[in-house]
Order: sequence, then C-alpha cells, then structure tokens
Amino acid sequence: SQQGEEDPQALSIQEGENATMNCSYKTSINNLQWYRQNSGRGLVHLILIRSNEREKHSGRLRVTLDTSKKSSSLLITASRAADTASYFCATDKGGATNKLIFGTGTLLAVQP
Amino acid sequence: DTAVSQTPKYLVTQMGNDKSIKCEQNLGHDTMYWYKQDSKKFLKIMFSYNNKELIINETVPNRFSPKSPDKAHLNLHINSLELGDSAVYFCASSPRTQSGEQYFGPGTRLTVT
Repeated sequence: SQQGEEDPQALSIQEGENATMNCSYKTSINNLQWYRQNSGRGLVHLILIRSNEREKHSGRLRVTLDTSKKSSSLLITASRAADTASYFCATDKGGATNKLIFGTGTLLAVQP
Repeated sequence: DTAVSQTPKYLVTQMGNDKSIKCEQNLGHDTMYWYKQDSKKFLKIMFSYNNKELIINETVPNRFSPKSPDKAHLNLHINSLELGDSAVYFCASSPRTQSGEQYFGPGTRLTVT
C-alpha cells in the first residue's frame, strides 16, 4: 500500500501541553501537507512543507521534514480543547496531478 | 459563502439502487477531486478533474462514474450500490493540478442497507 503511517494512532493530553504527531511515508515526495479533521467535518489544510525544506512554522504549529528518513512530525504547542481533532499527513509525489496520499491519521484529544 | 459544498449530507439507501452526490465549489479553482473515507478513517483519492477533463482515475469499480458539467461542479454517480460502498465521500478542489493545498467539502455520509 502507498498509504503513509502516523503515530501515535491516538493521543490524549491536557490543555497547555504540547502534542507531537509523526508521519512516515514510503516514496520520494514533492511536498508533504498536514490536515485537520474535526469530528463529522471535512478536512482543513494546516501547513505544507516542500521536499527541500526541513522545518516550517505557522502560529502554534511546527512541522519538520526528514526526507532521508521519509518522515515528518507535527508539533502543536500550548494545545487547546479546540485542537481536539484527527490530524492527517498527506504526501504529493509531484508531476502533472496533485494526487495526495493520506496517512492513517492521529486522533488528538485535548482535555480541558 | 460556502467554498466547497456537497449535497446531500446524509444518504441512506438500499443495495442495488443508483444514487448521485453533487459537489460545487465557488473558489474559481480548476481542479476538483472525489475521496472516499472508510470506517477506519482511511482517506483515498478516487477521481480528479481539471477543467472538466479526467486526470486521476484510481482503481475504482466501474459502478462509480464522475461527471463534471463545468469546472465548478463535479458530481459522483454510483450504480448498483453495494454494502461496501458505505463510507463518507469528500469532494475537494485546488487552484491548480500541481502541488498545493486542497479545500474539502463537508462530506456525504452514504449508508447502504
């Protein structure tokens, strides 16, 4: 299967703590994206990191990419109850189509 | 002001029936997609259209047929529904075909009984 894998599958933390999710993938990529999915809703794009980038920040989000290990991590700092959601990584190999291969997702629960 | 909309939100139907799901985007994007999310939350691309032209066609049964009347709409028709078709179907769009964020609709939960 091309599908990437994320770990942990589920993560429960207290408000104010940091949450780290990891994503591993199998083939070379053009970019890697992270999406959030609240329960019963569609996916929302969070951040995109290109294959020639190693780290990227957006607000409380920090993403790293290690292409030699084919892995990425998403760090959410100072978590809030509203961050409770499933988080998915998605890889894009590039080429003529914007075909995303999604990971298995991490379910994050932030306890108030 | 909804960016990507889908109808219906819920669809319950019996095996063997034919059903359609509609998707519209008002973002002016050229590319649209259909994804299937199963009960384990695995999300997989099914189809993609760029300006009404099919550009991604994954290994999907022939019972599934996408139709794009214009670049703002991408509908999904499913013939002879089976129990295994039960899932949440998401429509998405992006400004261009090459590398970039995708904007997802709210999803259509299809239940086949």
